[in-house]
Amino acid sequence: DIVMTQSPDSLAVSLGERATINCKSSQSLLYNSNNKNYLAWYQQRPGQPPKVLIYWASARESGVPDRFSGSGSGTDFTLTISSLQAEDVAVYYCQQYYSTPFTFGPGTKVEIK
Amino acid sequence: QVHLGQSGAEVRRPGASVKVSCTASGYNFTGYFIHWVRQAPGQGLEWMGWINPNSGGTNYAQKFQGRVTMTGDTSISTAYLELSRLKSDDTAVYYCARPTDPGYYRNAFNMWGLGTMVTVSS
Repeated sequence: DIVMTQSPDSLAVSLGERATINCKSSQSLLYNSNNKNYLAWYQQRPGQPPKVLIYWASARESGVPDRFSGSGSGTDFTLTISSLQAEDVAVYYCQQYYSTPFTFGPGTKVEIK
Repeated sequence: QVHLGQSGAEVRRPGASVKVSCTASGYNFTGYFIHWVRQAPGQGLEWMGWINPNSGGTNYAQKFQGRVTMTGDTSISTAYLELSRLKSDDTAVYYCARPTDPGYYRNAFNMWGLGTMVTVSS
């Protein structure tokens, strides 16, 4: 199974400041035949199901604000919130869908400082 | 409007079984795989498996092999998750989720049901 790790476990950022979350996979998520990284980022607010923000490591889902961006390739990935808003308080998960069992990172809790 | 509607909360004794439903609306049910993901209270997300509603084909996480059955009823656009021999650590919210693209299971999930809380307690 592919193991996903995230850092930090939690972070507190001032409104309007940048938040950066890292995700690492135990094996490459880059599929050479299509040059795509099988990595997604989800936001989960309390009491709600997860919501996809980013897929293919860097493609933003329709309707997601452009302050959210994803980068990285292979085994190392980053989710960046360029200017934190109050509604961004949530837990963020990375997920690999390269091979089953699809696995999620343990989550990063983002709070307002 | 595209939507996944899930059945209501369940309470079961250890050793019993539970069957959770996920009803799709607003899109071609047989065109998209359905995945099941669970989340124990205060914990992270755990993928359980997928079903292809078109063929009935399934793929289960090894952890649940022998205890889980995923089925679909195309006449009512509904997928089912059945988990047997329940234990207390099966207490969780069970979500169904749909991938972004039709006909392919290796995609991110851009549609989720609201979840079904299953409580296993004696």
